[in-house]
Amino acid sequence: QLQLQESGPGLVKPSETLSLTCTVSGGSISSSSYYWGWIRQPPGKGLEWIGSIYYSGSTWTTYYNPSLKSRVTISVDTSKNQFSLKLSSVTAADTAVYYCARRDITMVRGVYSTFDIWGQGTMVAVSS
Amino acid sequence: IVLTQSPGTLSLSPGERATLSCRASQSVTSSYLAWYQQKPGQAPRLLIYGASSRATGIPDRFSGSGSGTDFTLTINRLEPEDFAVYYCQQYGNSPLYSFGQGTNLEIK
Repeated sequence: QLQLQESGPGLVKPSETLSLTCTVSGGSISSSSYYWGWIRQPPGKGLEWIGSIYYSGSTWTTYYNPSLKSRVTISVDTSKNQFSLKLSSVTAADTAVYYCARRDITMVRGVYSTFDIWGQGTMVAVSS
Repeated sequence: IVLTQSPGTLSLSPGERATLSCRASQSVTSSYLAWYQQKPGQAPRLLIYGASSRATGIPDRFSGSGSGTDFTLTINRLEPEDFAVYYCQQYGNSPLYSFGQGTNLEIK
Protein backbone atom coordinates (compact mmCIF):
# COMPACT_ATOMS: atom_id res chain seq x y z
CA GLN A 1 0.00 0.00 0.00
CA LEU A 2 1.52 3.26 -1.15
CA GLN A 3 2.28 5.83 1.55
CA LEU A 4 3.71 9.34 1.55
CA GLN A 5 5.65 11.11 4.28
CA GLU A 6 6.71 14.76 4.29
CA SER A 7 9.86 15.91 6.06
CA GLY A 8 11.77 19.14 6.51
CA PRO A 9 12.34 22.12 8.81
CA GLY A 10 9.34 23.40 10.73
CA LEU A 11 10.69 26.96 10.87
CA VAL A 12 12.12 29.06 8.05
CA LYS A 13 13.31 32.67 8.21
CA PRO A 14 11.78 35.34 5.97
CA SER A 15 13.50 35.72 2.57
CA GLU A 16 15.07 32.25 2.86
CA THR A 17 14.18 29.07 0.93
CA LEU A 18 11.71 26.51 2.24
CA SER A 19 12.79 22.94 1.43
CA LEU A 20 10.63 19.87 1.94
CA THR A 21 10.92 16.24 0.89
CA CYS A 22 8.23 13.63 0.32
CA THR A 23 9.28 10.00 0.69
CA VAL A 24 7.22 7.47 -1.25
CA SER A 25 6.93 3.94 0.13
CA GLY A 26 5.05 0.96 -1.25
CA GLY A 27 5.40 2.03 -4.87
CA SER A 28 7.79 3.48 -7.42
CA ILE A 29 8.03 7.20 -7.92
CA SER A 30 9.06 6.54 -11.52
CA SER A 31 5.75 4.93 -12.46
CA SER A 32 4.19 6.62 -15.48
CA SER A 33 0.77 5.98 -13.91
CA TYR A 34 1.24 8.59 -11.22
CA TYR A 35 1.50 12.34 -10.89
CA TRP A 36 3.02 13.71 -7.69
CA GLY A 37 1.99 17.00 -6.17
CA TRP A 38 2.45 19.52 -3.39
CA ILE A 39 -0.55 21.26 -1.82
CA ARG A 40 -0.54 23.67 1.10
CA GLN A 41 -3.05 24.96 3.64
CA PRO A 42 -2.48 28.13 5.70
CA PRO A 43 -3.79 27.90 9.26
CA GLY A 44 -7.59 28.03 9.30
CA LYS A 45 -7.78 28.46 5.53
CA GLY A 46 -8.38 26.40 2.40
CA LEU A 47 -6.20 24.30 0.12
CA GLU A 48 -3.85 25.64 -2.54
CA TRP A 49 -2.15 23.51 -5.20
CA ILE A 50 1.54 24.42 -5.49
CA GLY A 51 2.78 22.19 -8.29
CA SER A 52 3.14 18.71 -9.72
CA ILE A 53 5.71 16.47 -11.34
CA TYR A 54 5.34 13.33 -13.41
CA TYR A 55 7.38 10.85 -15.43
CA SER A 56 6.54 10.12 -19.03
CA GLY A 57 8.58 9.06 -22.00
CA SER A 58 11.86 9.05 -20.07
CA THR A 59 11.31 12.64 -19.05
CA TRP A 60 10.24 14.33 -15.84
CA THR A 61 7.81 17.19 -16.37
CA THR A 62 6.80 19.84 -13.84
CA TYR A 63 3.79 22.17 -13.64
CA TYR A 64 3.37 25.00 -11.18
CA ASN A 65 0.63 27.24 -9.87
CA PRO A 66 1.05 30.46 -11.88
CA SER A 67 0.80 32.51 -8.69
CA LEU A 68 3.87 30.75 -7.23
CA LYS A 69 5.74 29.74 -10.37
CA SER A 70 8.57 32.26 -10.02
CA ARG A 71 9.50 30.90 -6.57
CA VAL A 72 8.81 27.14 -6.85
CA THR A 73 10.97 24.21 -7.91
CA ILE A 74 9.87 20.57 -7.67
CA SER A 75 12.41 17.84 -8.33
CA VAL A 76 12.85 14.09 -7.96
CA ASP A 77 15.49 11.80 -6.47
CA THR A 78 14.69 8.38 -7.91
CA SER A 79 17.49 6.69 -5.98
CA LYS A 80 15.70 7.57 -2.73
CA ASN A 81 12.14 7.36 -4.14
CA GLN A 82 11.56 10.95 -3.10
CA PHE A 83 10.37 14.21 -4.58
CA SER A 84 11.11 17.63 -3.18
CA LEU A 85 9.74 21.15 -2.98
CA LYS A 86 11.76 24.34 -2.84
CA LEU A 87 10.01 27.65 -2.31
CA SER A 88 12.27 30.69 -2.36
CA SER A 89 11.98 34.17 -0.84
CA VAL A 90 9.41 33.09 1.72
CA THR A 91 7.27 35.46 3.75
CA ALA A 92 4.79 34.99 6.58
CA ALA A 93 2.13 34.34 3.92
CA ASP A 94 3.89 31.04 3.16
CA THR A 95 3.21 29.73 6.66
CA ALA A 96 1.09 26.63 6.14
CA VAL A 97 0.72 22.90 6.43
CA TYR A 98 2.38 21.42 3.36
CA TYR A 99 1.06 18.15 1.95
CA CYS A 100 2.47 15.88 -0.70
CA ALA A 101 0.00 13.78 -2.65
CA ARG A 102 -0.31 11.24 -5.43
CA ARG A 103 -2.62 11.29 -8.39
CA ASP A 104 -3.26 7.99 -10.17
CA ILE A 105 -3.88 8.82 -13.84
CA THR A 106 -5.15 5.36 -14.71
CA MET A 107 -8.59 5.77 -16.20
CA VAL A 108 -11.29 3.87 -14.28
CA ARG A 109 -14.64 3.29 -16.00
CA GLY A 110 -13.78 6.06 -18.42
CA VAL A 111 -12.96 8.62 -15.73
CA TYR A 112 -9.69 10.03 -14.43
CA SER A 113 -9.30 10.50 -10.71
CA THR A 114 -7.36 13.16 -8.82
CA PHE A 115 -5.13 13.25 -5.73
CA ASP A 116 -6.17 10.13 -3.84
CA ILE A 117 -3.29 9.47 -1.47
CA TRP A 118 -1.93 12.22 0.77
CA GLY A 119 0.84 12.48 3.31
CA GLN A 120 -0.05 13.51 6.85
CA GLY A 121 1.24 17.03 6.23
CA THR A 122 4.00 19.05 7.83
CA MET A 123 3.61 22.49 9.38
CA VAL A 124 6.08 25.13 8.24
CA ALA A 125 6.19 28.52 9.93
CA VAL A 126 7.98 31.51 8.43
CA SER A 127 9.32 33.71 11.19
CA SER A 128 12.50 35.41 12.28
CA ILE B 1 -11.05 28.31 -12.81
CA VAL B 2 -12.44 29.79 -9.58
CA LEU B 3 -14.65 27.49 -7.50
CA THR B 4 -17.22 28.99 -5.13
CA GLN B 5 -18.77 26.74 -2.49
CA SER B 6 -22.02 27.37 -0.67
CA PRO B 7 -23.07 27.59 2.01
CA GLY B 8 -19.99 28.53 4.01
CA THR B 9 -21.41 26.73 7.04
CA LEU B 10 -24.18 24.16 7.16
CA SER B 11 -25.74 23.18 10.49
CA LEU B 12 -27.61 19.87 10.49
CA SER B 13 -28.44 16.99 12.81
CA PRO B 14 -27.39 13.34 12.46
CA GLY B 15 -29.82 11.48 10.23
CA GLU B 16 -30.56 14.51 8.05
CA ARG B 17 -29.48 15.05 4.45
CA ALA B 18 -26.74 17.52 3.54
CA THR B 19 -26.59 19.27 0.19
CA LEU B 20 -23.36 21.14 -0.63
CA SER B 21 -22.86 23.25 -3.73
CA CYS B 22 -19.82 24.07 -5.84
CA ARG B 23 -20.04 26.57 -8.70
CA ALA B 24 -17.23 27.07 -11.22
CA SER B 25 -16.37 30.33 -12.97
CA GLN B 26 -16.22 28.43 -16.27
CA SER B 27 -17.18 25.00 -17.46
CA VAL B 28 -15.18 22.17 -15.88
CA THR B 29 -13.67 19.98 -18.59
CA SER B 30 -15.14 16.49 -18.76
CA SER B 31 -16.79 16.92 -15.36
CA TYR B 32 -13.42 16.53 -13.67
CA LEU B 33 -14.71 17.77 -10.35
CA ALA B 34 -13.82 16.12 -7.04
CA TRP B 35 -14.95 16.39 -3.45
CA TYR B 36 -12.79 15.98 -0.36
CA GLN B 37 -13.58 15.65 3.33
CA GLN B 38 -11.18 17.09 5.89
CA LYS B 39 -11.29 16.65 9.64
CA PRO B 40 -9.21 18.75 12.08
CA GLY B 41 -5.55 17.80 12.04
CA GLN B 42 -5.98 15.37 9.15
CA ALA B 43 -5.16 15.40 5.46
CA PRO B 44 -8.04 15.70 2.99
CA ARG B 45 -9.75 12.44 2.04
CA LEU B 46 -10.96 11.94 -1.52
CA LEU B 47 -14.71 11.18 -1.61
CA ILE B 48 -15.87 11.77 -5.17
CA TYR B 49 -14.07 12.18 -8.51
CA GLY B 50 -15.35 12.69 -12.01
CA ALA B 51 -18.29 14.57 -10.44
CA SER B 52 -20.11 11.37 -9.45
CA SER B 53 -17.72 8.42 -8.97
CA ARG B 54 -17.12 7.36 -5.39
CA ALA B 55 -13.52 6.78 -4.37
CA THR B 56 -12.48 3.43 -2.93
CA GLY B 57 -14.06 2.69 0.44
CA ILE B 58 -16.45 5.65 0.45
CA PRO B 59 -19.95 4.79 1.78
CA ASP B 60 -22.82 5.04 -0.66
CA ARG B 61 -24.54 7.71 1.43
CA PHE B 62 -22.10 10.08 -0.30
CA SER B 63 -23.08 11.00 -3.85
CA GLY B 64 -22.00 13.62 -6.34
CA SER B 65 -23.79 15.12 -9.29
CA GLY B 66 -23.61 17.98 -11.74
CA SER B 67 -21.83 19.08 -14.89
CA GLY B 68 -20.60 22.21 -16.59
CA THR B 69 -20.39 24.84 -13.87
CA ASP B 70 -22.72 23.52 -11.16
CA PHE B 71 -21.94 20.55 -8.95
CA THR B 72 -23.48 19.09 -5.79
CA LEU B 73 -22.32 16.77 -3.03
CA THR B 74 -25.17 15.04 -1.21
CA ILE B 75 -24.73 13.17 2.05
CA ASN B 76 -27.76 11.08 3.02
CA ARG B 77 -28.51 10.08 6.62
CA LEU B 78 -25.69 12.04 8.24
CA GLU B 79 -23.52 10.06 10.63
CA PRO B 80 -21.63 11.74 13.50
CA GLU B 81 -18.32 11.14 11.67
CA ASP B 82 -19.54 13.09 8.61
CA PHE B 83 -19.28 16.46 10.34
CA ALA B 84 -16.19 18.04 8.81
CA VAL B 85 -15.07 20.54 6.19
CA TYR B 86 -15.73 19.67 2.56
CA TYR B 87 -13.79 21.00 -0.42
CA CYS B 88 -14.47 20.74 -4.12
CA GLN B 89 -11.58 20.63 -6.56
CA GLN B 90 -11.44 20.90 -10.32
CA TYR B 91 -8.82 19.02 -12.29
CA GLY B 92 -10.28 19.36 -15.75
CA ASN B 93 -7.82 22.07 -16.63
CA SER B 94 -5.09 19.59 -15.80
CA PRO B 95 -2.29 19.98 -15.13
CA LEU B 96 -3.58 22.96 -13.20
CA TYR B 97 -5.81 22.38 -10.18
CA SER B 98 -7.94 24.63 -7.99
CA PHE B 99 -9.98 24.19 -4.84
CA GLY B 100 -13.10 25.80 -3.47
CA GLN B 101 -12.93 27.67 -0.18
CA GLY B 102 -14.73 24.89 1.71
CA THR B 103 -18.07 24.25 3.44
CA ASN B 104 -18.06 23.58 7.17
CA LEU B 105 -20.66 20.93 7.99
CA GLU B 106 -21.36 21.26 11.69
CA ILE B 107 -23.66 19.51 14.15
CA LYS B 108 -26.81 21.47 14.92
